[in-house]
Amino acid sequence: RKEVEQDPGPFNVPEGATVAFNCTYSNSASQSFFWYRQDCRKEPKLLMSVYSSGNEDGRFTAQLNRASQYISLLIRDSKLSDSATYLCVVSSTSGTYKYIFGTGTRLKVLA
Amino acid sequence: SQTIHQWPATLVQPVGSPLSLECTVEGTSNPNLYWYRQAAGRGLQLLFYSVGIGQISSEVPQNLSASRPQDRQFILSSKKLLLSDSGFYLCAWGRGASGGPDTQYFGPGTRLTVL
Repeated sequence: RKEVEQDPGPFNVPEGATVAFNCTYSNSASQSFFWYRQDCRKEPKLLMSVYSSGNEDGRFTAQLNRASQYISLLIRDSKLSDSATYLCVVSSTSGTYKYIFGTGTRLKVLA
Repeated sequence: SQTIHQWPATLVQPVGSPLSLECTVEGTSNPNLYWYRQAAGRGLQLLFYSVGIGQISSEVPQNLSASRPQDRQFILSSKKLLLSDSGFYLCAWGRGASGGPDTQYFGPGTRLTVL
């Protein structure tokens, strides 16, 4: 079993739609969680950290479910510019040097 | 503000040739530094990380090596490239703060093709 698993997609959604991605992780000791966005042939860019209580940044909402060991990302009112691959990232303890990346979920927002 | 640079942006090398990729960070001191590789259609794989000058930890046994000769400089090297070394090489930095996640920020990457 992979340490971090994501549905590779692609998720094809129309503009304005709401789309959600899930990511599961296997290490119950994981403590830090992030979503990164990666455009084609570009470097990953931090989208948001994921906190236990859940957090929101504009149209983006991230949730953490420790009991079931998954994190989610919800994108509301999808824009064409949201088209990218979304990477789920887990690190084992606070201040650790090691990220474990999922292989990413590809999103295509269609006009 | 902090910036991270990588060069070259693209590189085509023959099998068996040496490699040197450089990464530098500006605007911060004593960062944690990381080298990742992303093969086509695959996730990012951590290759090396460094918490200080001369301190290198290797995650994956391979024909690559890393060095940190200065606080904000991280170099990835190989004496003889293999076809399987092709990929997108990404350098990242983190603040290394204790008590919180080491949020990592990536450089623009080097796309390496070994022929």
